[in-house]
Amino acid sequence: KAGVTQTPRYLIKTRGQQVTLSCSPISGHRSVSWYQQTPGQGLQFLFEYFSETQRNKGNFPGRFSGRQFSNSRSEMNVSTLELGDSALYLCASSLGEFKPQHFGDGTRLSIL
Amino acid sequence: SQQGEEDPQALSIQEGENATMNCSYKTSINNLQWYRQNSGRGLVHLILIRSNEREKHSGRLRVTLDTSKKSSSLLITASRAADTASYFCATDAGSGNTPLVFGKGTRLSVIA
Repeated sequence: KAGVTQTPRYLIKTRGQQVTLSCSPISGHRSVSWYQQTPGQGLQFLFEYFSETQRNKGNFPGRFSGRQFSNSRSEMNVSTLELGDSALYLCASSLGEFKPQHFGDGTRLSIL
Repeated sequence: SQQGEEDPQALSIQEGENATMNCSYKTSINNLQWYRQNSGRGLVHLILIRSNEREKHSGRLRVTLDTSKKSSSLLITASRAADTASYFCATDAGSGNTPLVFGKGTRLSVIA
């Protein structure tokens, strides 16, 4: 069974631009969560989607948004990029609540 | 927020020794999970322990949970260089449909 796939793996953007990251979950997993990981703040929850509906949202500004498609694939978008958005963005899928999460290898976003 | 806190932040041991990492959390939980992250990669689920369990084993891993003290420990026995990674605990909020909250991790270095 294929794991969670995130694309692209690396991305360099400049301040003010926007970016879209993609995540393909494990087949059969309907829950997809996104996390931002930085050395200073650690792993911070962004949002979770289940069956195309946002079920939970972390404490991030509205510049961060996401969506999930009918095939469970998910995208997250960050608009008006800031230097502080430089981070590893991780996507994880699971079978549902209280179940282990399966992570992709992330997208390393660097803002210049 | 209900965040797990790992202790110590960093740990360096010789190959063959045991490594113990601790996690404390703040509120009631349904389960606690441990994950491993190799440098530049996503997190890998190691073990899940439910709130009504006190100890769980998986290969060289032993996890304990003390809900009265709101703490958990992860023991890796007979460590190997390949165990070098960051280890995170993650907790849920005890009610349904809430996201996992991760601690900042313990960085384990196993020296050959």
